[in-house]
Amino acid sequence: AQSVTQPDIHITVSEGASLELRCNYSYGATPYLFWYVQSPGQGLQLLLKYFSGDTLVQGIKGFEAEFKRSQSSFNLRKPSVHWSDAAEYFCAVASGDNYGQNFVFGPGTRLSVLP
Amino acid sequence: GAVVSQHPSWVICKSGTSVKIECRSLDFQATTMFWYRQFPKQSLMLMATSNEGSKATYEQGVEKDKFLINHASLTLSTLTVTSAHPEDSSFYICSARGRNTIYFGEGSWLTVV
Repeated sequence: AQSVTQPDIHITVSEGASLELRCNYSYGATPYLFWYVQSPGQGLQLLLKYFSGDTLVQGIKGFEAEFKRSQSSFNLRKPSVHWSDAAEYFCAVASGDNYGQNFVFGPGTRLSVLP
Repeated sequence: GAVVSQHPSWVICKSGTSVKIECRSLDFQATTMFWYRQFPKQSLMLMATSNEGSKATYEQGVEKDKFLINHASLTLSTLTVTSAHPEDSSFYICSARGRNTIYFGEGSWLTVV
């Protein structure tokens, strides 16, 4: 069964600084990988996803992520963080065509942004 | 805008009563929808998979008689929490598969008093 780890529970960065959120997965085949963001009390918004092809994926709000098969990682990056980026970030992995049912979330990383 | 909508966003009910939460795909048909539960400061846990026209598939440990799921049409799935107890208070989120990705609803806060 697939699993996802997000080693950092909470990260604090200053506004304008760069950001990298780590995500490692465990899955035997090529996974489908996702990053979602959740603001307090709200649902999840898809930032980006990787299915195949170019391993560097561009998403919304200036985010990007890079799939590294050798490291089983899918880290999320942003060159310059804005105060509005403060939220909870979830990495998720799915498998196969039935990727909805096999959707596994990581524990999440809470991002705080200092002014 | 949202492609998956949940209603209500917030609901308070008395212990012992039942409450229904709706999940709608707004501009696509979803033969499969998913229901998650999220406790404060925790990740999402899949409760069940809702299949249009057939019975839902529940994850291990989820009481199917307590969390009734109905997927009566290609755009609507409902989750009914029956005989609600305070420990059922949580954030419930649905998702639907469409256009090569998973879209999530805005979530529904349930408070049982």
